[in-house]
Amino acid sequence: DAGVIQSPRHEVTEMGQEVTLRCKPISGHDYLFWYRQTMMRGLELLIYFNNNVPIDDSGMPEDRFSAKMPNASFSTLKIQPSEPRDSAVYFCASRISNQPQHFGDGTRLSIL
Amino acid sequence: AQSVTQPDIHITVSEGASLELRCNYSYGATPYLFWYVQSPGQGLQLLLKYFSGDTLVQGIKGFEAEFKRSQSSFNLRKPSVHWSDAAEYFCAVGTGNQFYFGTGTSLTVIP
Repeated sequence: DAGVIQSPRHEVTEMGQEVTLRCKPISGHDYLFWYRQTMMRGLELLIYFNNNVPIDDSGMPEDRFSAKMPNASFSTLKIQPSEPRDSAVYFCASRISNQPQHFGDGTRLSIL
Repeated sequence: AQSVTQPDIHITVSEGASLELRCNYSYGATPYLFWYVQSPGQGLQLLLKYFSGDTLVQGIKGFEAEFKRSQSSFNLRKPSVHWSDAAEYFCAVGTGNQFYFGTGTSLTVIP
């Protein structure tokens, strides 16, 4: 049973570059979440989707961040342009109905 | 306002000793309660959850947690810690899709 799959696992890029993080949720799950984890702020919910539709993006820090879910098996989180303060671990999670969220292993992003 | 507090940032225990990680929450209604564990470089793995019913819940890896409504607490316990339990532990509360995570407790296990 494959879990939530995120890619890449690590990303190092220069400030100003576009960064795209990818997530494949567990098959059959109808909710998908994007989180950011930092030492200072802990885990923060950025955005979540239900049936591929963004429901709450109030956690997205600013317009440089965008997320899409073109189909039930794929989502992207994009940062353009990236800044050093965006350095964090980004987690994707998915769930079905009222069951707990299942998390991916995260993408460790470093912006130089 | 909804919030989760894990008062212990870091705990060190000896292997074989008992463990209790504290979690207190503030929530407007009876929430769902969760404990997750995060090993280095890994995502969060669900240890256990409380939705309703018996306030003592059993989870994986020998963990249990007790929901105490009067104290707004959901402490995680394990009677005998193993070296492989060294990790970061997160308490979470919420309903539906709005989760609130604590800041985590880092557990070190010494031989």
